[in-house]
Amino acid sequence: AQSVTQLDSHVSVSEGTPVLLRCNYSSSYSPSLFWYVQHPNKGLQLLLKYTSAATLVKGINGFEAEFKKSETSFHLTKPSAHMSDAAEYFCVVRDPKDTGRRALTFGSGTRLQVQP
Amino acid sequence: NAGVTQTPKFRILKIGQSMTLQCAQDMNHNYMYWYRQDPGMGLKLIYYSVGAGITDKGEVPNGYNVSRSTTEDFPLRLELAAPSQTSVYFCASRRGVEDTQYFGPGTRLTVL
Repeated sequence: AQSVTQLDSHVSVSEGTPVLLRCNYSSSYSPSLFWYVQHPNKGLQLLLKYTSAATLVKGINGFEAEFKKSETSFHLTKPSAHMSDAAEYFCVVRDPKDTGRRALTFGSGTRLQVQP
Repeated sequence: NAGVTQTPKFRILKIGQSMTLQCAQDMNHNYMYWYRQDPGMGLKLIYYSVGAGITDKGEVPNGYNVSRSTTEDFPLRLELAAPSQTSVYFCASRRGVEDTQYFGPGTRLTVL
């Protein structure tokens, strides 16, 4: 069975400094991986996804993530944080062998705070 | 194109009451999902549907029922509300050939 572990429950950065949100996955096969963002009292929005094409994936709002099979990681980064980036971020995996329901498995989330 | 819509946004129920959470999508997606999100946790799958007339259980189906009579609508029914069902409920949909799920804004339910 596949799973994801988000290594930090809270991350605090200053505006204009880099963001790093860490995610490790566990899967017997090459998985599909996603990052979703949830702003306060809002639904979830897809930031980016990896589906076995390029290992460096670019998403919306300047975010990107790198798939590293040797480290089973899919960390999310952004060069310069903006106040509007403050939100909850979820790393998500889909088991490629689950061709039926294609359900997503969510990490527990990382809350990003951006200080002025 | 409204995407995925959910009603109501908020609801407070008493123990033992019943209610239906509504979910609709206008993207002609065949797959639809219901998740619940407990505080400080990721989302857990309650039920899903691969098309009209076809539904199946997810990880945490107990206490819930669903139906899918049309492609657009996927209501979630709570028959006897319990405090353990206090949560935020998200509906999602996707096209058959894609992995990306599109989420609604959520329904925040409190059972007292």
